[in-house]
Amino acid sequence: DIQMTQSPSSLSASVGDTVTITCRASQSIITYVNWYQQKPGKAPKLLIYAASTLQSGVPSRFSGSGSGTDFTLTISSLQPEDFATYYCHQTYNTNTFGQGTKLEIK
Amino acid sequence: QVQLQESGPGLVKPSGTLSLTCAVSGGSIDSSHWWSWVRQPPGKGLEWIGEIYHSGSTTYNPSLTSRVTISVDKSKNHFSLNLTPVTAADTAVYYCARWNTGRVGYFDIWGRGTLVAVSS
Repeated sequence: DIQMTQSPSSLSASVGDTVTITCRASQSIITYVNWYQQKPGKAPKLLIYAASTLQSGVPSRFSGSGSGTDFTLTISSLQPEDFATYYCHQTYNTNTFGQGTKLEIK
Repeated sequence: QVQLQESGPGLVKPSGTLSLTCAVSGGSIDSSHWWSWVRQPPGKGLEWIGEIYHSGSTTYNPSLTSRVTISVDKSKNHFSLNLTPVTAADTAVYYCARWNTGRVGYFDIWGRGTLVAVSS
């Protein structure tokens, strides 16, 4: 199984800040990684697929990068609606998710 | 706009069978997509359970394969999950989701989820 390790597990930031969430795969997954946002009581929402492609309708302040084993999700100029939990997701070999990063308001 | 809606019992007894259905509306289950189940125990992360194509082909999470069956009913435009036998560890919110077979594959549409508790 491919393990996806996210860091940090939680993060405090203020509106207007830029934050970066990292995901490391246990083996190379090329760019077979997606990022989702989940708010309490809601289903996950796709933000980015194939490591860096923004899903239609997602604000451009969200961006993704990386290849091989190391990937990042960056959120620029945080907005109040961005405070949520974020998950990375590999699809290179079946499906596994990272453990999540909870982004909280400082 | 395709929408997914999960339905089924919210409480299952230990050693029993968890059965859920996902209704697909606004589109056909007969499209070139795979249809998946994902679950999330309370306060924890996401776990992929398995998927099915309209032809009936399935793929399951190796950790669950001995207990899981996913089926499709094209006449009703829905697909279903059976998990047996269940334990308290199977208590979770269960989501159905559409797998988009793009460049890398991703879940682009999700149901709202349904909480299933395993308890006597």
